[in-house]
Amino acid sequence: SAVISQKPSRDICQRGTSLTIQCQVDSQVTMMFWYRQQPGQSLTLIATANQGSEATYESGFVIDKFPISRPNLTFSTLTVSNMSPEDSSIYLCSVFLSSTDTQYFGPGTRLTVL
Amino acid sequence: QKEVEQNSGPLSVPEGAIASLNCTYSDRGSQSFFWYRQYSGKSPELIMFIYSNGDKEDGRFTAQLNKASQYVSLLIRDSQPSDSATYLCAVPLSGGYNKLIFGAGTRLAVHP
Repeated sequence: SAVISQKPSRDICQRGTSLTIQCQVDSQVTMMFWYRQQPGQSLTLIATANQGSEATYESGFVIDKFPISRPNLTFSTLTVSNMSPEDSSIYLCSVFLSSTDTQYFGPGTRLTVL
Repeated sequence: QKEVEQNSGPLSVPEGAIASLNCTYSDRGSQSFFWYRQYSGKSPELIMFIYSNGDKEDGRFTAQLNKASQYVSLLIRDSQPSDSATYLCAVPLSGGYNKLIFGAGTRLAVHP
C-alpha cells in the first residue's frame, strides 16, 4: 500500500476565503485523485490530478472553484476557492497503485465553512 | 451516468452472525468491484476487490459477484463489534481500476 498524508487535517474558514489542501505520498504514483465527502454522504470524485498538465474535472466541478496542482509524482494540492457553507465537507486525496490495481485514500481534510 | 446502489441501513446484526451487504450497479460493462470500510471520522480503507463471477474469500470476508444480475455482495462471517462501520461499494467510472464511483454506503451495527 501507500502512505498518504494530508495537510491540514481540519480547518474552519470564513465564507469568501480560499483554502489549499496538500497531499503527499511516500512513493511516486501516476494516478492521484481528489474526492469530496459531504456530511452523511458518500464520496464524489472531483478530479484527477495529472502530473505536468491540467487536472481532469468530473461533471459539476470546475477549475475556477477547485484549482489543482500536481508538480511531481508524489505531491498534489487542491484549493477550495471563494468558499461557502455548502463547501463544508471532508476532502480526500487518493492514489492508484498499479502494483496492486487498487486505490488508497489519505486521512482526509475536514473543512467547515462559516 | 453510471450508478451504484446500496441500502443505507443501518443493518443490525448480533455478534457472531453473518452480515450480508449488497450492491447493484447499472453499467453492464463494469469489470471490477471494490468494497471499502469507513469508520466514523476516518477515511475509507480497502477490504476486498473482485473481478470474476463467483466468490472470493479473504479471512472472514467473502465477496460475491454476479455480473448477469449486476450484483455484488460482501459477507462478513462471525461479525464482531469492531466491524461496525459504513461499507462502501465502488465501481470504476472508466471501466479501468482507477476513477471510482461510490454507492451511498451501508451502515453496519454489530451488537454484543
